[in-house]
Amino acid sequence: GAVVSQHPSWVICKSGTSVKIECRSLDFQATTMFWYRQFPKQSLMLMATSNEGSKATYEQGVEKDKFLINHASLTLSTLTVTSAHPEDSSFYICSASRGWGNQPQHFGDGTRLSIL
Amino acid sequence: GESVGLHLPTLSVQEGDNSIINCAYSNSASDYFIWYKQESGKGPQFIIDIRSNMDKRQGQRVTVLLNKTVKHLSLQIAATQPGDSAVYFCAEIPNSGNTPLVFGKGTRLSVIA
Repeated sequence: GAVVSQHPSWVICKSGTSVKIECRSLDFQATTMFWYRQFPKQSLMLMATSNEGSKATYEQGVEKDKFLINHASLTLSTLTVTSAHPEDSSFYICSASRGWGNQPQHFGDGTRLSIL
Repeated sequence: GESVGLHLPTLSVQEGDNSIINCAYSNSASDYFIWYKQESGKGPQFIIDIRSNMDKRQGQRVTVLLNKTVKHLSLQIAATQPGDSAVYFCAEIPNSGNTPLVFGKGTRLSVIA
């Protein structure tokens, strides 16, 4: 159990394009989902925390108008990179947690975004 | 281990030997810790967790040790196999509740067949 699916796994697009990434918890309800960004050979950096039915909480330095997060249901959160530029190229990973209390986060397999 | 610049520390072990991966965490108030394994091009995979009221927890071929006095966490992998080659991250939750994980810098484990 605790499977998190992320789609698409790889995106290549032109500069200026907006890209939507989906994160789904397949076999459990996720009250909270998290979005991370990872550059090569580095650790995961938290971008935002997404709670179902409310606005996402963004980490310092992350532009909320650039990275739009929607958490419309207990099984789906989306991250939209608006007007993407080459510097937005990265590996984006989501995770989901079953609920409150100390619970492990289960991760999707990530989305590799390449902006030309 | 500690990272130098952008390069992950690397641990190389012979197949069949035991591996020990170390992690220093930052927040003395953290009460929940997790080890994740990340293979190339994939998301982190949960390995084992431990709560602060414990100092040792064992899983299948893996053991996590927690030393709260020096804020140190270690992951021991017994009889390391080629499939264990990956980057390993420790993560802590600074406060109880559904708060974000804080990830360590990661260690790359390379298993020599």
